[in-house]
Amino acid sequence: QKEVEQDPGPLSVPEGAIVSLNCTYSNSAFQYFMWYRQYSRKGPELLMYTYSSGNKEDGRFTAQVDKSSKYISLFIRDSQPSDSATYLCAMSEIQGAQKLVFGQGTRLTINP
Amino acid sequence: DVKVTQSSRYLVKRTGEKVFLECVQDMDHENMFWYRQDPGLGLRLIYFSYDVKMKEKGDIPEGYSVSREKKERFSLILESASTNQTSMYLCASSPGTGRPEAFFGQGTRLTVV
Repeated sequence: QKEVEQDPGPLSVPEGAIVSLNCTYSNSAFQYFMWYRQYSRKGPELLMYTYSSGNKEDGRFTAQVDKSSKYISLFIRDSQPSDSATYLCAMSEIQGAQKLVFGQGTRLTINP
Repeated sequence: DVKVTQSSRYLVKRTGEKVFLECVQDMDHENMFWYRQDPGLGLRLIYFSYDVKMKEKGDIPEGYSVSREKKERFSLILESASTNQTSMYLCASSPGTGRPEAFFGQGTRLTVV
């Protein structure tokens, strides 16, 4: 079993829809949680970064962490065609070198 | 803004060649990483470094080595390139010490023929 599981999709939704992207994990030592967006043939860019449980909002993006269920989510409101990309979740422990463990990524397409 | 710069966007090398991929970051980050990304396999960690001249193996270090002589620069070396090393290579850096968020370069698409 992988430490981090993420449905690879693809996921296709109409413009303006609310998008929900999710990851589950098995390592209870994970304390840092991140979401990255990666456009085709580019490097991933950091979207959201949260520590421990709770919600964080940045514009149209909301990240949620539920440590009791080992489940994290990214919500995109009023989705735009420019949001079409692959979204990767990533997690890290507090101790050690704080290497990131990535999900496989979900390919998202927003249709105009 | 953090900037992580990889020396090449696209590279074509022959089997058996020694290949150097260079990465430079400009934010005085402690940690630097090399990943490869393949369809269906996601990002896999090859090597990372948490200090100058310090390195640790990641999940798939076989066939690779690294060098970090200066804090800002982290090099990935393919000792003898093989076709199964054809991939997208991504360099990243993170601040370290309670700040694990990583910033990535634009990637190097390496093709070994």
